[in-house]
Amino acid sequence: EVQLVESGGGLVKPGGSLRLSCAASGFTFSDVWMSWVRQAPGKGLEWVGRIKNKANNEATDYAAPVKDRFTISRDDSRNTLYLQMNSLKTEDTAVYYCTTERGSAFDIWGQGTMVTVSS
Amino acid sequence: QTVVTQEPSFSVSPGGTATLTCGLTSGSVSTSNYPSWYQQTPGQAPRTLIYNTNTRSSGVPDRFSGSILGNKAALTITGAQADDESDYYCVLHLGSGTPRVFGGGTKLTVL
Repeated sequence: EVQLVESGGGLVKPGGSLRLSCAASGFTFSDVWMSWVRQAPGKGLEWVGRIKNKANNEATDYAAPVKDRFTISRDDSRNTLYLQMNSLKTEDTAVYYCTTERGSAFDIWGQGTMVTVSS
Repeated sequence: QTVVTQEPSFSVSPGGTATLTCGLTSGSVSTSNYPSWYQQTPGQAPRTLIYNTNTRSSGVPDRFSGSILGNKAALTITGAQADDESDYYCVLHLGSGTPRVFGGGTKLTVL
């Protein structure tokens, strides 16, 4: 079964750090580009960033609000995607989804993990 | 900064046709923006409907279709059903600096 499962969410204080994971199964993880998308409570979807595959040097791109604070990485041997979030702000509170990026669009989606940044 | 625009809300009668649009605050949308569309019901992950302007994702009924209408991308739902009531988001590719940008979403009501 094709599946993405996020983990690592939780409650963290402003200024703190958190690392999210996304475990992939049912497809060749190493071939695909991967993205993180988030959704603040009651708000729309927001692209966070992406990492390309090894053939494309695992290059990364980030949305402006998270650039220089968030880092996306991948471990193809573990079929796992990561999102390291540092210097967290209250406005980073959201459900975080991982998703495959194939061709020109997002394809497979995980169920999401909630991150709450609050004192 | 260019923003991706969508109607905040749209109503359609059961069996009717809804055309949701996706535009830019600056410029026109074309196939080079690779428009894609996603459906999301409350509490659920998004579901991919359309990519590359008009290609349906696997398992998506042919009631859903994508196109370019004038200077916008469009998602047309024909024969609207009650379970089409969802939020719909478009995504546009705006260039190498900002690969993917979501529109604000359209809340579709079927009544």
